[in-house]
Amino acid sequence: GAVVSQHPSRVICKSGTSVKIECRSLDFQATTMFWYRQFPKKSLMLMATSNEGSKATYEQGVEKDKFLINHASLTLSTLTVTSAHPEDSSFYICSARRPGTGYPYAGNTIYFGEGSWLTVV
Amino acid sequence: GENVEQHPSTLSVQEGDSAVIKCTYSDSASNYFPWYKQELGKRPQLIIDIRSNVGEKKDQRIAVTLNKTAKHFSLHITETQPEDSAVYFCAAALGSGGSNYKLTFGKGTLLTVNP
Repeated sequence: GAVVSQHPSRVICKSGTSVKIECRSLDFQATTMFWYRQFPKKSLMLMATSNEGSKATYEQGVEKDKFLINHASLTLSTLTVTSAHPEDSSFYICSARRPGTGYPYAGNTIYFGEGSWLTVV
Repeated sequence: GENVEQHPSTLSVQEGDSAVIKCTYSDSASNYFPWYKQELGKRPQLIIDIRSNVGEKKDQRIAVTLNKTAKHFSLHITETQPEDSAVYFCAAALGSGGSNYKLTFGKGTLLTVNP
């Protein structure tokens, strides 16, 4: 089946530094990927929509200069948390839209990466 | 924008019983409704989805029903097993034409299946 891979799974960084998280679609081309943040025992909060070859679309309240998104190829999107602070500590998770294939046409499907635990100390 | 309400927030059942989780959505244009199962610290896994051209879909012990007129959809798990214990999320999206399938999630239901 479709696989989305996210790396690293866990990262600890010092306050003030930047951290990059990668999201890859392994067996399909993803023109659209999504980045979410999830707090413990809470739902997934959409941060931004990453579009291959164009600027990301950020949700209201998400600082685009702090959470840099780059979707440079059809299989890779990256999220960089810049000047990280302890309040940025969270579970970050990406998803990718897999185009539908086959007959009859099955429609697009969304698959998630494994998620990345970020701890800022 | 879309708003998805999910109930109940917690659900506890005995092994072998059925579990039902219900969601409502606000945007009548939404036409793609997936359900995800998430275990603690893991990725959400797609367990079943339904599109608005059908009213019901079944996959072994899992079924989803959709009522577009009332704008609600439900997840049904029969013969529950302890390994079904997890958080379940419903979601809604506009999934056709040039849309990007941006999902709006419900708040989740913590399902506990007691042996």
